[in-house]
Amino acid sequence: EVQLVESGGGLVQPGGSLRLSCAASGFIFTGYWMSWVRQAPGKGLEWVANIKPDGGDNYYVDSVKGRFTISRDNAKNSVFLQMNNLRAEDTAMYYCARGRFCSRTTCSYFDFWGQGTLVTVSS
Amino acid sequence: QSALTQPPSVSGSPGQSVTISCTGTSSDIDSYNRVSWYQQSPGTAPKLIIYEVTNRPSGVPDRFSGSKSGNTASLTISGLQAEDEADYYCSSYTSSSTSVLFGGGTKLTVL
Repeated sequence: EVQLVESGGGLVQPGGSLRLSCAASGFIFTGYWMSWVRQAPGKGLEWVANIKPDGGDNYYVDSVKGRFTISRDNAKNSVFLQMNNLRAEDTAMYYCARGRFCSRTTCSYFDFWGQGTLVTVSS
Repeated sequence: QSALTQPPSVSGSPGQSVTISCTGTSSDIDSYNRVSWYQQSPGTAPKLIIYEVTNRPSGVPDRFSGSKSGNTASLTISGLQAEDEADYYCSSYTSSSTSVLFGGGTKLTVL
């Protein structure tokens, strides 16, 4: 059974940092792109970042470029999102998802999602 | 970048059918058979229910079906059940955007 379990969310002040983690199980992790997708309270889905199976390339939505970094540890079946210089508009539920047939900043679909971890940026 | 366009809400009575539209452009829905649909029940994560326009993942009831015509994709839910009440999002592969494309979401109310 495929499982994605996020952790690391919380309350942080503007300008602060957080590191989100996603532990994957039930599939061959090294065979898949991984993504982060967020959802602001009461709003729709917004793709945040993609990372290739070998971790060699990563891609971001324009609004987080230079502030967020996606990475993965294939030995530990985990993907991470380092978020720096956080802003109020980054407040959202952050979901880890497995991307299928991805190419740089797009994927054909996301077939499995974690339960999400909530990030709140507020003073 | 532009999102895909969905109606904010639709409704139907139990047993009826409803269709949710998702309008894109020649750079996304019209050019690729890579439209997907997600169901998000209140307080839960999105769940893939349709991929590559018409395909259902294992475990998704055949009451859910997808189609596409030109730059518009559609999700049809037949035999509505109370448990279908949720938000539904479309998404499409794109050649022109710098981001994954999602629709704004449609809230389905089962009357």
